[in-house]
Amino acid sequence: ETGVTQTPRHLVMGMTNKKSLKCEQHLGHNAMYWYKQSAKKPLELMFVYNFKEQTENNSVPSRFSPECPNSSHLFLHLHTLQPEDSALYLCASSQDPRTDYGYTFGSGTRLTVV
Amino acid sequence: EDQVTQSPEALRLQEGESSSLNCSYTVSGLRGLFWYRQDPGKGPEFLFTLYSAGEEKEKERLKATLTKKESFLHITAPKPEDSATYLCAVPLGNTPLVFGKGTRLSVIA
Repeated sequence: ETGVTQTPRHLVMGMTNKKSLKCEQHLGHNAMYWYKQSAKKPLELMFVYNFKEQTENNSVPSRFSPECPNSSHLFLHLHTLQPEDSALYLCASSQDPRTDYGYTFGSGTRLTVV
Repeated sequence: EDQVTQSPEALRLQEGESSSLNCSYTVSGLRGLFWYRQDPGKGPEFLFTLYSAGEEKEKERLKATLTKKESFLHITAPKPEDSATYLCAVPLGNTPLVFGKGTRLSVIA
């Protein structure tokens, strides 16, 4: 596989559930990102990892917990979410956070919290 | 305060009807302006990066231009397959890309 792969593509979870989103990149990039995309709002940066180290946490509630075990894999652990957390969650990667070559995005996970 | 603003929010064109999308930004020391295309249910797909005022880049029916305050994405003789949401983004300071809300383009046959 090439590019950035996200699983699952769709997820429905209750407010008391715990679930995880997975992202894998096969591009040899060193930086990975989580973005949230809600209707009528711009993409919101959530977390940045550079060489497996978290370099940015954009005031994200603690019910979202990222994990980056290596430069190719990124997880977003979810627990006790709220209905307003329903959105498209996008993973992206780049050579480094200051890259001038743009980011490569996955297809996203459509999350619905009920 | 919005630092990346796109207009219009939505645009409906007849096939072959050329038009332009706008992205204005308020940032000093621009390190690049990025255009992406996003199809429904998919992640954004990279189109162009522009670095300095006066620069232009083209890809098929799309042409992106940059001034000191804004960028335009010109669409010449669009086809229905050009229908998508077009996003622009800039890096602000040392932060990663900040995106505008996008322009939703519909091209009708």
